[in-house]
Amino acid sequence: EIVLTQSPGTLSLSPGERATLSCRASQSVSSSYLAWYQQKPGQAPRLLIYGASSRATGIPDRFSGSGSGTDFTLTISRLEPEDFAVYYCQQYGASPPMYTFGQGTKLEIK
Amino acid sequence: QLQLQESGPGLVKPSETLSLTCSVSSGSISSSHYYWGWIRQPPGKGLEWIGTIYYSGSTYYKSSLKSRVTISVDTSNNQFSLKLSSVTAADTAVYYCSRHGPPGTAFDIWGQGTMVTVSS
Repeated sequence: EIVLTQSPGTLSLSPGERATLSCRASQSVSSSYLAWYQQKPGQAPRLLIYGASSRATGIPDRFSGSGSGTDFTLTISRLEPEDFAVYYCQQYGASPPMYTFGQGTKLEIK
Repeated sequence: QLQLQESGPGLVKPSETLSLTCSVSSGSISSSHYYWGWIRQPPGKGLEWIGTIYYSGSTYYKSSLKSRVTISVDTSNNQFSLKLSSVTAADTAVYYCSRHGPPGTAFDIWGQGTMVTVSS
C-alpha cells in the first residue's frame, strides 16, 4: 500500500502570502492519479486539483499543482481569507485497486 | 448539478452492522462514466477510502476493511448503500458518499456527510 506523507502538518501564513504544500509518496505514483482536496470545518472535501496539475471546475487559478514520481506540490500563489483550511492529497494505486489519502496539512492564519 | 445525500442511523451499537444509503439526485447512477464511493473521516482525523461500486454491481474495497464491508447499488431507486459489520468505536466517523470517474480519477462530487457513532 502506498503511503502519502504531507508536510508541513500545519502552515501558518498571512493573506497575500504564497503557500507551498508538499505530498510525498512511499513509492512512485502516476501523475494521472494524484489529486488535492480542500476541506473547511463541518464541510465535505472539495476537489481542487486532479491529474497532479489540472484544476477542477470553478477552482481559481491561484491554485496550482505540480510534481511527479514521489513528490507533489500544491501551491496557492496569493492566499485569500477563504483559503485557510485543511488540504489533503490523494492517490490511486491499481494493484490492488485502492485510493489513499495523506494525513492533511492545516493552513492557518498567522 | 448532481447531488448526493447520505442517510442512515446516527448511532450503532458495538458488534452490530452499520448501514447507510446514498441517494443520487439530478443525475443517473447508471451512467457508464461514473463510479460511486464511500469515504469516512473519524473525528479530528483524516480521510479514509472504504470502497467503490459501479452501476453494474462490480466493487472494490480497501483491503483492511474488505472482510467487513459490502457496497451495493439499487439502480431502480438511484442509490447505493454501505454495510459495515462488527463495528467498534474505531468505526465512529463522518461517512461521505462520493462520485468519481474511471478508476484512478478523483472524487469530484461529495455528499454532505453523515456522522455515525458506535456506542452502547
